[in-house]
Amino acid sequence: DTAVSQTPKYLVTQMGNDKSIKCEQNLGHDTMYWYKQDSKKFLKIMFSYNNKELIINETVPNRFSPKSPDKAHLNLHINSLELGDSAVYFCASSNGGKLFFGSGTQLSVL
Amino acid sequence: QKEVEQDPGPLSVPEGAIVSLNCTYSNSAFQYFMWYRQYSRKGPELLMYTYSSGNKEDGRFTAQVDKSSKYISLFIRDSQPSDSATYLCAMSLGGGSNYKLTFGKGTLLTVNP
Repeated sequence: DTAVSQTPKYLVTQMGNDKSIKCEQNLGHDTMYWYKQDSKKFLKIMFSYNNKELIINETVPNRFSPKSPDKAHLNLHINSLELGDSAVYFCASSNGGKLFFGSGTQLSVL
Repeated sequence: QKEVEQDPGPLSVPEGAIVSLNCTYSNSAFQYFMWYRQYSRKGPELLMYTYSSGNKEDGRFTAQVDKSSKYISLFIRDSQPSDSATYLCAMSLGGGSNYKLTFGKGTLLTVNP
């Protein structure tokens, strides 16, 4: 009965491909996020959605496009993958600023 | 100067030791301070959530905020091998969900039995 679940857990792909990561939360939260954690464990926000509306968009390449079909889902589509996109991507949802994270998607671009 | 500085460690202690983890920050406008614990290959989980200066205790964990020094700490008493994880400090300008969190780089802690 996972609170924030994301799929897939691992994603290995070639440079130039397009891939998607899906996220769902069953906590009833209005706000969802995508974070990127690099190889040095540094966790940085990419996007934030509140009730399907984009509210935070950090300096992220246009190749990254989030989509929120409803407030329980936030997907991340990445076009033309590059080597530097290799990282762990975390989805999160929040209640009043307290974040609850999924278990992450480890993306490896070869 | 980075907004949030955290010693990455690694920090290795014997079981039962008192652990002190620290972060400093440069933006005096930060109001909310958090500590997250991240086990290997897992997502971060919220440990402590505090507002403004002072101490907050929860079981073996104590979070301390000193806004005048721009310094926050997490103390773990009677540390256990199950406490072995990366600890990330985080802070935000406000308490609502539309405020982004700024994280430290995390400190890797190992508690040896």
